[in-house]
Amino acid sequence: KQEVTQIPAALSVPEGENLVLNCSFTDSAIYNLQWFRQDPGKGLTSLLLIQSSQREQTSGRLNASLDKSSGRSTLYIAASQPGDSATYLCAVGIQGAQKLVFGQGTRLTINP
Amino acid sequence: DGGITQSPKYLFRKEGQNVTLSCEQNLNHDAMYWYRQDPGQGLRLIYYSQIVNDFQKGDIAEGYSVSREKKESFPLTVTSAQKNPTAFYLCASSIAGFPGELFFGEGSRLTVL
Repeated sequence: KQEVTQIPAALSVPEGENLVLNCSFTDSAIYNLQWFRQDPGKGLTSLLLIQSSQREQTSGRLNASLDKSSGRSTLYIAASQPGDSATYLCAVGIQGAQKLVFGQGTRLTINP
Repeated sequence: DGGITQSPKYLFRKEGQNVTLSCEQNLNHDAMYWYRQDPGQGLRLIYYSQIVNDFQKGDIAEGYSVSREKKESFPLTVTSAQKNPTAFYLCASSIAGFPGELFFGEGSRLTVL
């Protein structure tokens, strides 16, 4: 059974810092991995999608990497801003199954 | 603008009542999904549909029902058989060939009084 873990559950950093959020999964036979952002009381917004054949994806100040062999993905946020404060979730697409498995998320706070 | 619309945003229900949550998309996506989110837990899949008139149970389908009569619409009914229905419900869609990139609605918060 695929399990997805995000550590830490919460993170608080000062504005301007570069930071890394972690996502680990137990089964390397994945189809893809997605990172989402969720603001309080809102739906999820897709940030980056990495196919299993890819190593990384970039969008603006965000960079996501994927290492299937070690069961890890990282989301790198450069030059953090207060507007980046949100919960970040990763989700793994399972090969041969019609679903994503979500981590519990990391609640990020950027302090001005 | 294309997107997914969920309604109502907030819903209160008495125990023993069925309620239906609406989900409409104008993205021309074939696949649609319902997830449940509880505090401190990841999203859990309730039902999904890859095509009109067909749907499949997810991990926590008990106490829920769905229909997919139109490509644009995928309503979720929370029945009285659902033992702990208070939660945040999220609808999502993707182009095809799950698991593709998911697009989510703004969610519906259901509270049982």
